Amino acid sequence: QKEVEQNSGPLSVPEGAIASLNCTYSDRGSQSFFWYRQYSGKSPELIMSIYSNGDKEDGRFTAQLNKASQYVSLLIRDSQPSDSATYLCAVSRNAGNMLTFGGGTRLMVKP
Amino acid sequence: GAVVSQHPSWVICKSGTSVKIECRSLDFQATTMFWYRQFPKQSLMLMATSNEGSKATYEQGVEKDKFLINHASLTLSTLTVTSAHPEDSSFYICSARRSGLAGGTDTQYFGPGTRLTVL
Repeated sequence: QKEVEQNSGPLSVPEGAIASLNCTYSDRGSQSFFWYRQYSGKSPELIMSIYSNGDKEDGRFTAQLNKASQYVSLLIRDSQPSDSATYLCAVSRNAGNMLTFGGGTRLMVKP
Repeated sequence: GAVVSQHPSWVICKSGTSVKIECRSLDFQATTMFWYRQFPKQSLMLMATSNEGSKATYEQGVEKDKFLINHASLTLSTLTVTSAHPEDSSFYICSARRSGLAGGTDTQYFGPGTRLTVL
């Protein structure tokens, strides 16, 4: 079993729709959770971080964390073609320490 | 936001040569930097953790004598791929850990990556 699992996709949504990206992790000691966006040929860009159970909203993005279920998700509202990228879920036992990445989910937003 | 640079952006070299990649935190000090490698259509794999003033910690399966890491200052870490071979061709990405501001949590910021092609 991989430590951090994501559906590789591609996840295809129409422009303006809500994109829902999911991630599960195996290490119950994980305390910090991150979503990165990576465009093809580029390095990851931090989108959201979340540390406690519940929802965290930032603009069109909402991260959701459920530690009991070992599940973290990212919702993108009003999806735009420019959101088309690979989204990487990363977890850490301690913020700033080594990150374990999932395989990423490729999102395609169609005009 | 915090800025991390890498140099060079891309490099092509002959098999058997050594290549040095620099990672710099431009507007903050980073006692810890991380080196990742990403092969096409795969996720990032941590290679090593670089700590300023001490030896790097390598992940299992990463040859420390092949991938030399030096973290001589609070803003610079270097990765040298020694005697590079075609199978070392990959996208190498560094990240730098920035301490949390006003008691906040630490965050990693990624450099733009270096694409290495070994012929």
